[in-house]
Amino acid sequence: SQQGEEDPQALSIQEGENATMNCSYKTSINNLQWYRQNSGRGLVHLILIRSNEREKHSGRLRVTLDTSKKSSSLLITASRAADTASYFCATDLSRYSSASKIIFGSGTRLSIRP
Amino acid sequence: AAGVIQSPRHLIKEKRETATLKCYPIPRHDTVYWYQQGPGQDPQFLISFYEKMQSDKGSIPDRFSAQQFSDYHSELNMSSLELGDSALYFCASSHGLAGGPATDTQYFGPGTRLTVL
Repeated sequence: SQQGEEDPQALSIQEGENATMNCSYKTSINNLQWYRQNSGRGLVHLILIRSNEREKHSGRLRVTLDTSKKSSSLLITASRAADTASYFCATDLSRYSSASKIIFGSGTRLSIRP
Repeated sequence: AAGVIQSPRHLIKEKRETATLKCYPIPRHDTVYWYQQGPGQDPQFLISFYEKMQSDKGSIPDRFSAQQFSDYHSELNMSSLELGDSALYFCASSHGLAGGPATDTQYFGPGTRLTVL
């Protein structure tokens, strides 16, 4: 079964508003990463938060991690039309298994209306 | 800064043909990962290599094989191509910690779009 589940699957907001996307996962993780993908294009790494961190900021991005609830959120403040993309959370299980891969969630499609 | 390079960027093949995708990691990165993303799907992990040895295997079909070379570049070989193999194939690289595979940020290449007709 899928490790990461994202909520909502699609989000449409007005330019300038804040966008919040949530990600839940099932097993213990080493770190959690958020990626952005424009339609049919490559994946762009946004931010990584380690299992011993609770909150991290990068520009207009704010990520939180609650390991007790196995969930993370990505907040994009003051959204811009250029933020329109799909956003994926991805969990790294490396410390807790022999895996050296990250597992992607199903993604949130964010649309910013001008 | 140098990024992950993938070639070719686009590839069109017929059913039952073979394809080879190449990935050149960021300099000094020793870990390479391959992912497949079908239309409208999330990326699925295929296989990874650390220091030229396979470190993990995901949902990679038996028709596919991959290896990492001495210069750390990697190639994904796909044989007996099927229509369902049409997808974006991403390579990612990271810097492994001494003695084990990477646990840090994976940097993705732009992907190779494979179309099987």
